[in-house]
Amino acid sequence: AQSVTQLGSHVSVSEGALVLLRCNYSSSVPPYLFWYVQYPNQGLQLLLKYTTGATLVKGINGFEAEFKKSETSFHLTKPSAHMSDAAEYFCALVSSGDKLTFGTGTRLAVRP
Amino acid sequence: DAGVIQSPRHEVTEMGQEVTLRCKPISGHDYLFWYRQTMMRGLELLIYFNNNVPIDDSGMPEDRFSAKMPNASFSTLKIQPSEPRDSAVYFCASSLNGRLSEAFFGQGTRLTVV
Repeated sequence: AQSVTQLGSHVSVSEGALVLLRCNYSSSVPPYLFWYVQYPNQGLQLLLKYTTGATLVKGINGFEAEFKKSETSFHLTKPSAHMSDAAEYFCALVSSGDKLTFGTGTRLAVRP
Repeated sequence: DAGVIQSPRHEVTEMGQEVTLRCKPISGHDYLFWYRQTMMRGLELLIYFNNNVPIDDSGMPEDRFSAKMPNASFSTLKIQPSEPRDSAVYFCASSLNGRLSEAFFGQGTRLTVV
């Protein structure tokens, strides 16, 4: 069975600080991995995705993530947080079939 | 394209009543997903369709829940009878070519069952 674990349901950083949101996965076959962001009262939108090829993936709004097979991880980072980054972030994977499975989400707060 | 369109945005209903949520996917997309989001359980996949055919409905919680996709441009999720524990935000999403593609989400329907 495929699953996604996000460590830390809430993360708080200062504006300008590094953002690190953790995601680990479990999959019996090579997965496709995604990060989505959800702003209040909105649907989810894609930040970035890893399918094959380069393991460091760059997304929108300055975010990037690195696929590490040996660690079964796909952590999301941004060098410098902005106030507008405050939102909930979801890691997701597709392994077998086309079923997109989400983690429980991490709410990011950015302090002035 | 206007994106994935869900209606209504908000629904308040009494326990025992039938509720129908509606979704119009992005034109040309061949996958449609229904998700439920709650504080306790996060985002749960309820069911998904490929080319209007239900592929996996293992996430549908009970027989009270049913989903249909009569054509490529419309899907419904029905709850009959509704219960207070069904209160959640229900999202519809669509994608092209399934697993490799971005899923585009609607803005959700916030359902409250009193």
